[in-house]
Amino acid sequence: SAVISQKPSRDICQRGTSLTIQCQVDSQVTMMFWYRQQPGQSLTLIATANQGSEATYESGFVIDKFPISRPNLTFSTLTVSNMSPEDSSIYLCSVEVNEQFFGPGTRLTVL
Amino acid sequence: AQSVTQLDSQVPVFEEAPVELRCNYSSSVSVYLFWYVQYPNQGLQLLLKYLSGSTLVKGINGFEAEFNKSQTSFHLRKPSVHISDTAEYFCAVRSNDYKLSFGAGTTVTVRA
Repeated sequence: SAVISQKPSRDICQRGTSLTIQCQVDSQVTMMFWYRQQPGQSLTLIATANQGSEATYESGFVIDKFPISRPNLTFSTLTVSNMSPEDSSIYLCSVEVNEQFFGPGTRLTVL
Repeated sequence: AQSVTQLDSQVPVFEEAPVELRCNYSSSVSVYLFWYVQYPNQGLQLLLKYLSGSTLVKGINGFEAEFNKSQTSFHLRKPSVHISDTAEYFCAVRSNDYKLSFGAGTTVTVRA
């Protein structure tokens, strides 16, 4: 299993600013993912962030808007850049360890 | 490409009654299926998964699901629900590179 923590748990930001979300895992894992859950919606995969390689983005998501770092096997960050109200969502990281474990999420509100 | 369709957006049910949440999938490769639960203001928790083997899968909290290849379905069931089962339930299919595609979710509201 894996225990995942995320910081911050929630934030309220002004449009045009950027927010960096941290994801910390209690064990070393290769595969890590970032998802977005818009209000009242399901989860959508943003990108795969495997250590040792560049993050790969899903259709509709670009590196300039959602830069990702993966400096080691227990940590990753997702930055939401130049935010607009449409970026208001819950952002979740997950790791694959025989099954996919999810962090508690970061609830972002953009005014 | 893989996708999941959850046929019911909302399911109201009385306490101690049975519940079934429907999920249909499409996949051009090997099928790995999951049900997750999201309690209010909490993260996602795995209820059960089908990777291979027996088509009847038992999970936590008394839930079970049956994989039906001919009908491309993976319906979730519980014979008797509790108030604490009130939550959002997501069906998901996993690709060979471990990416999950989620259905739209089913809101289960259990009433006394």
